[in-house]
Parts: sequence; C-alpha cells; structure tokens
Amino acid sequence: DSGVTQTPKHLITATGQRVTLRCSPRSGDLSVYWYQQSLDQGLQFLIQYYNGEERAKGNILERFSAQQFPDLHSELNLSSLELGDSALYFCASSPLGSGDNEQFFGPGTRLTVL
Amino acid sequence: QQQVKQSPQSLIVQKGGISIINCAYENTAFDYFPWYQQFPGKGPALLIAIRPDVSEKKEGRFTISFNKSAKQFSLHIMDSQPGDSATYFCAASISNEAGNMLTFGGGTRLMVKP
Repeated sequence: DSGVTQTPKHLITATGQRVTLRCSPRSGDLSVYWYQQSLDQGLQFLIQYYNGEERAKGNILERFSAQQFPDLHSELNLSSLELGDSALYFCASSPLGSGDNEQFFGPGTRLTVL
Repeated sequence: QQQVKQSPQSLIVQKGGISIINCAYENTAFDYFPWYQQFPGKGPALLIAIRPDVSEKKEGRFTISFNKSAKQFSLHIMDSQPGDSATYFCAASISNEAGNMLTFGGGTRLMVKP
C-alpha cells in the first residue's frame, strides 16, 4: 500500500458526460501528479500540482482540468467524455515539487466511457 | 513523440533465469531514470532508480546498467522468480525542472515460468 488513495475505483459513464476523480496524497507529500494509462498510449503524464499550484503540464486535453485543495487532496475533472477517454487514471504523490524524489502511485481509477 | 522506447514488449523467462529489459531515450536533458513494477490491478511501484553519473546500480536481484553515450539503460533481474511476473516500465525525468514528471516507456510484460 503506497499511502495514496483514489476514489472511485471504477467509473462507468456515457459519452458527453462529466466525471470527477479524487486523489488523497500520502501524508506530508506536497506534490500530486495525474497520469493516464491506456492500451494505445501507455502511461502518460497529464498534470502536476505542488502545494496548491499548477507546477507542470503534459498532454492534458482542454476538456480535462485539475486542482489541488488546501488539504492537498486533488481532483481531476473530465468533461465532454469520449470513448477514447476510457483508461486507467493514476494519481501519484511525492514530498517535493522537483528533483528525483520517488513518486508513489495510487491504485488508480478505471474509467469506462460507453 | 515517444521519448523513451522500451523493448521487448513481452518476455517469457524460466525460473532462475535472467530477465533483461532495455530502454533508449532521446532527450539528453533527462537525468533521473527509475524503473517501475506494476502488478495487475495495482498502481506502478518504484523498483530501482539511477542517475547518469554511475554506470550500474544493484539492489538485491535487480540491476540497472546505464550507457550515457548510447542513451540506453537496462534492467536485469537475476534469478527470476514467478513472483516477478508483472509489467515493468522504464521512465525518465529532468530533476532540475520545476516539475519532475515522468516520461514512461511502453512497458514490458514479464512472465516467469516455474
């Protein structure tokens, strides 16, 4: 158990809908990262927050947004969902915002868009 | 642009054998190279990591070999066990950037036969 929690574990929804994925980092970790894992694209970095502020952005679609709250938990919002958004979404956390510090991954949320 | 290429995609090894997974990167700014292990239904977990100032790092049965001039690094699993059966991902990041998002290879599914 990495100490990173994600809810829900599974999510099934329809095209065009909006969903929110939630992540609680390990106690004391200030950075939260979101990654998408799909069969055709592999594991891809989406976005990083550090202590409430956006720190880095990857291949995140404009339909997706995220935020980190004062208690350091983070939410990833996915809107106008398409079939291709079906994937595993992982949250990871680390103590710092930069440097080669280990990222601890949560168990993921499996999103299925029908 | 796939910045980290990983091979093979799948690997079958007999118990007690050596598993070797290779990765090549393009961006010479990468300076942190972790390997992650992922079991089905779980998030990736850090196995071992290396920085380019050393050519080899060993932790138990796991060894990373690093060739800076060739921009390649590999994971060797000695005395492979059935419990090592998992998907392995190499990754790379730039530690002096404000963020330190990981760029992952495509993954290698390892099966160790008893």
